[in-house]
Amino acid sequence: AQSVTQLGSHVSVSEGALVLLRCNYSSSVPPYLFWYVQYPNQGLQLLLKYTSAATLVKGINGFEAEFKKSETSFHLTKPSAHMSDAAEYFCAVSGGDDKIIFGKGTRLHILP
Amino acid sequence: GAVVSQHPSRVICKSGTSVKIECRSLDFQATTMFWYRQFPKQSLMLMATSNEGSKATYEQGVEKDKFLINHASLTLSTLTVTSAHPEDSSFYICSARVGTRETQYFGPGTRLLVL
Repeated sequence: AQSVTQLGSHVSVSEGALVLLRCNYSSSVPPYLFWYVQYPNQGLQLLLKYTSAATLVKGINGFEAEFKKSETSFHLTKPSAHMSDAAEYFCAVSGGDDKIIFGKGTRLHILP
Repeated sequence: GAVVSQHPSRVICKSGTSVKIECRSLDFQATTMFWYRQFPKQSLMLMATSNEGSKATYEQGVEKDKFLINHASLTLSTLTVTSAHPEDSSFYICSARVGTRETQYFGPGTRLLVL
């Protein structure tokens, strides 16, 4: 079985500051890991995904995430926050049963 | 590429009526489509998985007779909420995938309000 834990339902950072959204996973098989972003009243957009290749994954909009097996983590980072980054972010894991299990989400607030 | 559309984007209906939501993969053939439900400020809950030409697989606790899913082609899946009630009001999101464990591409969602 797979599960995802996102630490912090709300994160606030100042514009231009580092963004760090935390995600820990549990999986009985080598996982595929994803980060999705959701803007209000919209569907989910894929930011990046890890599929057992490079452990440092670069995504769209300047985001990246690092897969750390020893820590069972897949934290999302961006060096400099922009106002347009304000949204809901979901970490997700896919295991051997092909389903994607989503975390509860982290709402990112950008302070001017 | 990899665009998924949903129709309608928003629907308001009376209690007791049925509502059909369409999910289409516009530029690729999806072997599998998924239907999710999202309550306000919460995560996505998988309702069912559908493969083209076969019956949908429903998650535990999801009433298959209430949420009818049809996956008639590799580019179209429909979710029909039968005899809708106010507690069915929610944001319904579909996704489509090619192959196993590959990325799911999400539709923009359908906001259902049952009065």
